[in-house]
Amino acid sequence: SQKIEQNSEALNIQEGKTATLTCNYTNYSPAYLQWYRQDPGRGPVFLLLIRENEKEKRKERLKVTFDTTLKQSLFHITASQPADSATYLCAPRPPGYSSASKIIFGSGTRLSIRP
Amino acid sequence: EPEVTQTPSHQVTQMGQEVILRCVPISNHLYFYWYRQILGQKVEFLVSFYNNEISEKSEIFDDQFSVERPDGSNFTLKIRSTKLEDSAMYFCASSVRDRGFDEQFFGPGTRLTVL
Repeated sequence: SQKIEQNSEALNIQEGKTATLTCNYTNYSPAYLQWYRQDPGRGPVFLLLIRENEKEKRKERLKVTFDTTLKQSLFHITASQPADSATYLCAPRPPGYSSASKIIFGSGTRLSIRP
Repeated sequence: EPEVTQTPSHQVTQMGQEVILRCVPISNHLYFYWYRQILGQKVEFLVSFYNNEISEKSEIFDDQFSVERPDGSNFTLKIRSTKLEDSAMYFCASSVRDRGFDEQFFGPGTRLTVL
């Protein structure tokens, strides 16, 4: 069955540095992969989607890469700010087809940016 | 900006009681979902709903659960006989499937506490 692995340890970095989060998946080849942000007690918020034929995607200070050979996506936040502190969820598109696509989330990586 | 709303924000119930969690999806969205998140764990898919029927459901979504779209705006999740292990945050989400992927918009969640 599909397996999604994200850094289980929290990531603490200094404001202004680049944060890099890792998502690894096994046993299948997703057509795309999404990243969501979740703040404590809140619902996930969509950030970026990258397709299997895209190596890299950018949105403002966010950058996502997708290596289908390594079965890995990296999520970067450049010039990090304390407001970026949150849990970041990886969600490769699950295998199979349905008329409404469920999201299968990884367990998430908690990111803390210290001033 | 349109958003998904959920009521109540917090529901406390006794084990064995029925609860109904309510959601108002974004008005032009066609696909509706419920997810849950047990404290400290990952967000888990429960069920997807389209065209007035269930599209897909997870193993969690057993006979104790049901969903309904009673009118043109509300989407509900009913748990017939709550158990202690049903205590969790329940998120409703909705999406428009007019592209090759589903960006899902999540509501703020209902915290269900079963005593």
